[in-house]
Amino acid sequence: QVQLVQSGAEVKKPGSSVKVSCKASGGAFSSYTFSWVRQAPGQGLEWMGRVIPLADIPNYAQKFQGRLTFTADKSTNTAHMELSSLRSEDTAVYYCAREVRGAVLDVWGQGTTVSVSS
Amino acid sequence: DIQMTQSPSSLSTSVGDRVTITCRASQGISDSLAWYQQQPGKAPKLLLSAASTLESGVPSRFSGSGSGTDYTLTISSLQPEDFAIYYCQQYYSIPFTFGGGTKVEIK
Repeated sequence: QVQLVQSGAEVKKPGSSVKVSCKASGGAFSSYTFSWVRQAPGQGLEWMGRVIPLADIPNYAQKFQGRLTFTADKSTNTAHMELSSLRSEDTAVYYCAREVRGAVLDVWGQGTTVSVSS
Repeated sequence: DIQMTQSPSSLSTSVGDRVTITCRASQGISDSLAWYQQQPGKAPKLLLSAASTLESGVPSRFSGSGSGTDYTLTISSLQPEDFAIYYCQQYYSIPFTFGGGTKVEIK
């Protein structure tokens, strides 16, 4: 049974960067693809992109191009999401999720709250 | 990008009622559609994939249908634990976009 455990809440200043981790247990990390999804307060879900640890190949949603970096550390079974040049609109809960059968998100992390405020 | 439009955005209903939520894609998505349920303060939970395939452990009162651009999630007899927000998601092409959500509230 795969479980995804994310790092704790972050408070950041505008213009800074944040790195969120997502540690997988109970499965074959390198064989998975991980998506990152965020949810601003009171808003819907927004897909940010995905990473394939085996090939270290990321796909980023156009909206985040240039600010977003996904990495995967196969030695620790951990996926990372780093978002730079933070602004107040980036305040959200950030989720990692495992993809199966195309890009169905069947297992989710608990979410990491990132607050951006001066 | 494929736009996903859900309707209604919210609905008030009662335990035992039948509920139908619609999701329309801006172009055909060949049944590459998933439905998720999100309870307050929790991560989304996968209910159905491939438009109509129920995930293991999901009650049979949930069902999905549709084709092409128009898809439906139906809850045959609403239970107290079903009051939540429901999202559709297309995974036909990147970026994998979500619908705006449908909040199912107690009348």
